[in-house]
Amino acid sequence: QKEVEQNSGPLSVPEGAIASLNCTYSDRGSQSFFWYRQYSGKSPELIMFIYSNGDKEDGRFTAQLNKASQYVSLLIRDSQPSDSATYLCALERASGSARQLTFGSGTQLTVLP
Amino acid sequence: NAGVTQTPKFQVLKTGQSMTLQCAQDMNHNSMYWYRQDPGMGLRLIYYSASEGTTDKGEVPNGYNVSRLNKREFSLRLESAAPSQTSVYFCASTFVETQYFGPGTRLLVL
Repeated sequence: QKEVEQNSGPLSVPEGAIASLNCTYSDRGSQSFFWYRQYSGKSPELIMFIYSNGDKEDGRFTAQLNKASQYVSLLIRDSQPSDSATYLCALERASGSARQLTFGSGTQLTVLP
Repeated sequence: NAGVTQTPKFQVLKTGQSMTLQCAQDMNHNSMYWYRQDPGMGLRLIYYSASEGTTDKGEVPNGYNVSRLNKREFSLRLESAAPSQTSVYFCASTFVETQYFGPGTRLLVL
């Protein structure tokens, strides 16, 4: 089993709809979870991070974490064509020397005008 | 403030050739990282450096070496390139929760 699993998609939603991206993980000791967005041919950029069970909202984005079920999700409300990108889920490994992230393979999202 | 910069942007190598990928950050971050990204595989950590003078192996270190030249610069060396090292390489640095990525180097090994 991969440490971080994501549905590769592609996921298509119409403009204005809610896009739901999901991620499951295997390491129960993981404490911190991240969502990165990567446009085609570009580098990843951080959207949100979440540490605690429940929801965390930032503008149109909501991250949800359920440690008991070992999943983390990202909701994008009022999806726009500019949200079309690959979304990478990552978790932080416990490490004494530096933050180390383990990434999923990403979900490709297309928002249709 | 350029953030994280990488050179070169593109490179084609023949099997067995060597090269060094350069990375620099101007944000005064302690931790720096090298990743590779292959289609369908996500980002995989090659090496990282928690601070100047230290380096550690990540998930896929075989075939690579690194040097943390100073706080700003972290280079990745391929001593004898192989076709399996064809990939996009990203350098990153970290401040608190955020990893900042460079623009990437596309490497093709023939």
